[in-house]
Amino acid sequence: EAGVAQSPRYKIIEKRQSVAFWCNPISGHATLYWYQQILGQGPKLLIQFQNNGVVDDSQLPKDRFSAERLKGVDSTLKIQPAKLEDSAVYLCASSINRGNTIYFGEGSWLTVV
Amino acid sequence: AQTVTQSQPEMSVQEAETVTLSCTYDTSESNYYLFWYKQPPSRQMILVIRQEAYKQQNATENRFSVNFQKAAKSFSLKISDSQLGDTAMYFCASLISSGSRLTFGEGTQLTVNP
Repeated sequence: EAGVAQSPRYKIIEKRQSVAFWCNPISGHATLYWYQQILGQGPKLLIQFQNNGVVDDSQLPKDRFSAERLKGVDSTLKIQPAKLEDSAVYLCASSINRGNTIYFGEGSWLTVV
Repeated sequence: AQTVTQSQPEMSVQEAETVTLSCTYDTSESNYYLFWYKQPPSRQMILVIRQEAYKQQNATENRFSVNFQKAAKSFSLKISDSQLGDTAMYFCASLISSGSRLTFGEGTQLTVNP
């Protein structure tokens, strides 16, 4: 069974530029998550989708971050404009449904210079 | 609200020995799950073991086992016959059955020495 796929794996951008990360969850998984993990910390949930609807985006900095899952399958997370403090690993994860085990992708490393 | 606490920022163990990582949690929910995830330097979060709160029996997965003390809200991970590949950051996490926000602890960096 294929795992959660993410791209790109690594990205370096200058502050005020934009970046987009893509995620394809495990087939059949209705719930998709984007987490931000700053070095030395545990992951923090940015946004959670149930199919194509947003369930929880309370910790998403909406002035610069946006995410969509239009067809209820793959998802894109965008940052515009990027700040230095956005340097982190962005982890996508999925689960069969809410309350089930969550599986993570390999992450997308972002460095903002 | 859920909280997860890992009080050991770093631990080390000799290869082939046994090590125990500690975790405590707090929740007002009765139905929840607890997890240990392993994060090597590649930063991928890998599921190690899962425990359903309603089960009294401690979960076991090969060399990994947990000591789940529900009344004490304690969930420790025991790694037997430690291997060099076990070197990683280990995160304890909780998930309530009715929701989906996985709450992580601060992590414990485990180093296995040859």
